[in-house]
Order: sequence, then structure tokens, then C-alpha cells
Amino acid sequence: AQSVTQLGSHVSVSEGALVLLRCNYSSSVPPYLFWYVQYPNQGLQLLLKYTTGATLVKGINGFEAEFKKSETSFHLTKPSAHMSDAAEYFCAVSVGGGADGLTFGKGTHLIIQP
Amino acid sequence: EAGVVQSPRYKIIEKKQPVAFWCNPISGHNTLYWYLQNLGQGPELLIRYENEEAVDDSQLPKDRFSAERLKGVDSTLKIQPAELGDSAVYLCASSLGLRSDTQYFGPGTRLTVL
Repeated sequence: AQSVTQLGSHVSVSEGALVLLRCNYSSSVPPYLFWYVQYPNQGLQLLLKYTTGATLVKGINGFEAEFKKSETSFHLTKPSAHMSDAAEYFCAVSVGGGADGLTFGKGTHLIIQP
Repeated sequence: EAGVVQSPRYKIIEKKQPVAFWCNPISGHNTLYWYLQNLGQGPELLIRYENEEAVDDSQLPKDRFSAERLKGVDSTLKIQPAELGDSAVYLCASSLGLRSDTQYFGPGTRLTVL
């Protein structure tokens, strides 16, 4: 069975600073990895995904993530935080691809300080 | 293109009452998912449909929960009878069902059981 660990339930950064949200996964087979964002009272929106190929994945809103197999990690970064980035971020894993059910982490609440 | 539609958005009921949630997926998406999201947690898969067939319902509490997807389009998730612990957000998602595909989420139904 697969699992996801997101380090830090809350992360606070200043506007304009680097955003780093950590995600580690456990999987017995090569995983498919996803980052979703959730704004209050809304559903989840895909930021980016890793399926196969290039390990550095670029997503929407300036976010990117790097798949590191040796570290079983898929950390999310953004060079410069914006106030509109304040939201809940979820890392998810699937071993059967995007069509299978996703296993989510508990989420990280990103706070942007003015 | 319309996204995943869910109704109602909010529902408040007394314990032991029945409740039903409705989901209309993105047109052409043959795979449909129901997830449960407890407060402060990531979503957890309840059931996955491929067309009309429930291909993964291992996490669905079958003593009180039921789901159907007639004609392989809309889906209904039912709880009967509801318990206090069922208070949560119920998310519906859909995808084309391909390995590299993305799951698109609806806004969810927030259930409060009193």
C-alpha cells in the first residue's frame, strides 16, 4: 500500500519569499505523484503531476516540483510567494496512474505574511 | 466546459436521518470517484466507478453507505442512517480513466449531522 507524508501542517512565508512544501511518499512500485491546491469552500485544483519522464515538473501559478526517487520525495516550490497563494496544499500518490484512486497526505496550510 | 457539479453544497440533518449527494461529472469522463474529506485531513477514496461498474469500493462502509451510477453518467451517494461522525465534506471527481490522466474535483458537499 502507498502512503504520503507532508511535513508541516502549517507553513508561513513572507510575500516574495521562497515557498517550499515537503512531501515524502511510500510506494512499492513507481508512483504517479500529484500536488493539488484547495481554496476555502472549493474543490481541489491540480497544480502539477509527475507520471514518467522528466523529474522536474512545472505547474500552474509558477509552482514546480522535483521527483527524487532516491529520497522518495516530491517537494513543491515557488520562487516568490504571492498573497493569492495562501491555501491548503495536498500531495497525493497513485501506483496505478491518474485513473486509480489517489492517496492523499494530510495537507499543508500555506500562510503568506505581508 | 463545465466542471464537476455537485449538489447540494451544504446539508444539515439530524442523526439517524438519511441523506443523499448528487454528482454530475465532466462530459465524456467515464471514471467517477467519491472521496470523503474530514476536517483538517486529506481526501480519502470511498468508491471508484468505471462507467456503471464500481471497480473499487473497498473503503465504502457498506452497512450505511451506498452509491450508484446509473447509465454511467451521474452518480448518487447515500448514507442511511447518518451518524454524528459522518459530518465531513464529500467530494466527487471524474477523469477520462487513462493512466496519465488528471482527476477533476467538484466543490464538494459539506454535511453536518446534529
